[in-house]
Amino acid sequence: DAGVIQSPRHEVTEMGQEVTLRCKPISGHDYLFWYRQTMMRGLELLIYFNNNVPIDDSGMPEDRFSAKMPNASFSTLKIQPSEPRDSAVYFCASIGQGRPEAFFGQGTRLTVV
Amino acid sequence: DAKTTQPPSMDCAEGRAANLPCNHSTISGNEYVYWYRQIHSQGPQYIIHGLKNNETNEMASLIITEDRKSSTLILPHATLRDTAVYYCIVRLNYGGSQGNLIFGKGTKLSVKP
Repeated sequence: DAGVIQSPRHEVTEMGQEVTLRCKPISGHDYLFWYRQTMMRGLELLIYFNNNVPIDDSGMPEDRFSAKMPNASFSTLKIQPSEPRDSAVYFCASIGQGRPEAFFGQGTRLTVV
Repeated sequence: DAKTTQPPSMDCAEGRAANLPCNHSTISGNEYVYWYRQIHSQGPQYIIHGLKNNETNEMASLIITEDRKSSTLILPHATLRDTAVYYCIVRLNYGGSQGNLIFGKGTKLSVKP
């Protein structure tokens, strides 16, 4: 398996634009997590899904952020409109049924100018 | 919020054992102790986890105190490649249900030649 795949790896966008980050979890995994990492705030959990259903979205910073998981092999995190303070590295991770370890993607580095 | 307390940084000489402490005094009976590490902005990597017994794998050993209020991750022979931020996490894992995976600030381990 290729592991958790995130795209794009880097994104530079202008303030006010819509940004969509994508994640393909490891096949067969039933938990999916989205994180944001900055120097100031560290690694923050934004939302996680179980069997494509959002379980806890309390970490989503505000209504500008939304996440979906239309099927077991794909998830998106959307920011609309984007702001400079959204600049961060966004990670996606997945966990298999009954397994302890989370596998993380390489992350998407988002820069909003 | 993270339920663990770790020292912000530690140094270790190459080839020596690195012992990373973690306090989790409010851990509940169905929560496990997990350790992850993050090397230079890569996605975090799972190391080991345990409930109440000591655990060992090819990467590290985990020592959990009898009262489960603290634990120590041991890297038996640290190498320069072990330089990373190490995260101690307590997480629900009971009856097939898994809770969220929340990272604190971690310990930055610097392995020096």
